[in-house]
Amino acid sequence: QVQLQESGPRLVKPSQTLSLTCSVSGGSISSGGYYWTWIRQHPGKGLEWIGYIHYSGSTYYNPSLESRVTISVDTSKNQFSLKVSSVTAADTAVYYCARDTSATYFDYWGRGTLVTVSS
Amino acid sequence: QLELTQSPSASASLGASVKLTCTLSSGHSTYVIAWHQHQPEKGPRFLMKLNSDGSHTKGDGIPDRFSGSSSGAERYLTISSLQSEDEADYYCQTWGTGIRVFGGGTKLTVL
Repeated sequence: QVQLQESGPRLVKPSQTLSLTCSVSGGSISSGGYYWTWIRQHPGKGLEWIGYIHYSGSTYYNPSLESRVTISVDTSKNQFSLKVSSVTAADTAVYYCARDTSATYFDYWGRGTLVTVSS
Repeated sequence: QLELTQSPSASASLGASVKLTCTLSSGHSTYVIAWHQHQPEKGPRFLMKLNSDGSHTKGDGIPDRFSGSSSGAERYLTISSLQSEDEADYYCQTWGTGIRVFGGGTKLTVL
């Protein structure tokens, strides 16, 4: 069974870059037909799609975040990563990675990691 | 614009059934959606993919108590024989080319 695990700093200072990595086990990130996704949830709010990447490197981002977000993939490590630049308190959220199957829905999710933006 | 609407909350008694609704925005009534369950302190869990004709495909290990149905622009998730662990947030989700959309979520309380 596919498992995903987020990792990275839990505290980021304003104006800096938030960086997270998702490690995938139980399946290859290079398998065709899957897109590797980041989603976040602000405290007490609903889910917000951030963007996704295919192992080939093609990406799609939420237009509301596109100017600050970069998603990359490292097939040799079976990992993909998220960077959000110029963060503010509004970027404080639980960040989830997930597998997007056939460019449709998310069939496997990580447990999530809370990232707080604060000085 | 592709949007999903859910009621913020629902409640039902232990052992009873509950039907949650997700409504697709105008012009998108044929869209396929997915239902996800988000229990407290856990990562979300994929429940099922639900087609416009009501047919659905469940995720790994999802019990028979969870079922889906459709009517027009509405997509439903029915949970029967409610258990305490069903108390969670339930999100519907859909997709278009290069976009993914979530409903606002329904918080289900099991009484």
